[in-house]
Amino acid sequence: GQQVMQIPQYQHVQEGEDFTTYCNSSTTLSNIQWYKQRPGGHPVFLIQLVKSGEVKKQKRLTFQFGEAKKNSSLHITATQTTDVGTYFCAGPGATSNTGKLIFGQGTTLQVKP
Amino acid sequence: KAGVTQTPRYLIKTRGQQVTLSCSPISGHRSVSWYQQTPGQGLQFLFEYFSETQRNKGNFPGRFSGRQFSNSRSEMNVSTLELGDSALYLCASSLALSGSSYEQYFGPGTRLTVT
Repeated sequence: GQQVMQIPQYQHVQEGEDFTTYCNSSTTLSNIQWYKQRPGGHPVFLIQLVKSGEVKKQKRLTFQFGEAKKNSSLHITATQTTDVGTYFCAGPGATSNTGKLIFGQGTTLQVKP
Repeated sequence: KAGVTQTPRYLIKTRGQQVTLSCSPISGHRSVSWYQQTPGQGLQFLFEYFSETQRNKGNFPGRFSGRQFSNSRSEMNVSTLELGDSALYLCASSLALSGSSYEQYFGPGTRLTVT
């Protein structure tokens, strides 16, 4: 079945270093969403990308959707301790608009002050 | 407006018992999805309800069931609890089906411990 894979599973960085997580789908996606879950919290929507090659920025976070719409990345510049958490990407199932949202396994980011 | 609410927040049950969890979506949202989250397993999709009908189902045994009411509130039930059912159960609401372009709003979750 359709899969959404994320790498790496875990990442430890020193505060101030950059961080990138990658998301790959086995099928073309109509859109991709990113969520963040703080420790002890619940996933919170960050952003949605729709267009091929789209790049969106939120302060120090840069989100990119691949040209083939099968992969995506989230890059954080100069990490801060507030960036700690698990980042999930999610894409619609093969039957978009009727299929479920498929989440990647998530990348857990630890930031050492 | 009020966010997604889930009750109870914490629950301790014994093996073999059954449990019912409740989720109240954001007002106006018609889709409710349920997820099981365990350490290292990410978000495992259970099922999704839209307009009182189950639209999608994940790969969980029949012990896991759910329903949605006319006011979009949803419940999930787990019968004959097993130790492996211990997890954080999250529900998420959305304006439309989760596979559409609408974002999902998650509730705080119910932490279920089976002893």
